[in-house]
Amino acid sequence: DAKTTQPPSMDCAEGRAANLPCNHSTISGNEYVYWYRQIHSQGPQYIIHGLKNNETNEMASLIITEDRKSSTLILPHATLRDTAVYYCIVRVLNRDDKIIFGKGTRLHILP
Amino acid sequence: DADVTQTPRNRITKTGKRIMLECSQTKGHDRMYWYRQDPGLGLRLIYYSFDVKDINKGEISDGYSVSRQAQAKFSLSLESAIPNQTALYFCATSDLSAGVGETQYFGPGTRLLVL
Repeated sequence: DAKTTQPPSMDCAEGRAANLPCNHSTISGNEYVYWYRQIHSQGPQYIIHGLKNNETNEMASLIITEDRKSSTLILPHATLRDTAVYYCIVRVLNRDDKIIFGKGTRLHILP
Repeated sequence: DADVTQTPRNRITKTGKRIMLECSQTKGHDRMYWYRQDPGLGLRLIYYSFDVKDINKGEISDGYSVSRQAQAKFSLSLESAIPNQTALYFCATSDLSAGVGETQYFGPGTRLLVL
């Protein structure tokens, strides 16, 4: 699987949009971008995934650049409960392989 | 009711003891995983299983063994626990859906302390 690069930590004011970047410059054409988050000491939670089109669900939006070398996860109106570690992962859809988590970005929502 | 459960939630044991962590799921998924998490580090894969007859080593399998007793159950054993196995352990399940891909669902975690 292609490797990803994320900033180790970020701050965001409550009520503002949180924009979390991820670089995946070696992503291949059949690899999807997945985002998970882990709230303190809980099991990670799936957020969203996409291939090349922007995606939106009830939790977040995913913006993938045209060259697919980077993406941004957007939490439109961050709340204190969004404080967590956010993991960006790239992997082939339906590939018969394990999922490898990196160190992620620790997002602090400030009151 | 939780879809993925882990027992025990907390465990303290002594060096050299054998212990088992259990994971059960009601999601009907074929794939199950065991991860450990240490402070300041991300999740590291210990073992994974894609069906009842399939067992695969992950990144850090030394000192651990697993058993897939049924589709719904996946146990992790520490044959002779050592202090550097003190960590937070997570079980996860997943399934493949055509056009949707694979997403993982995690249990609440087991906090293990080896003295």
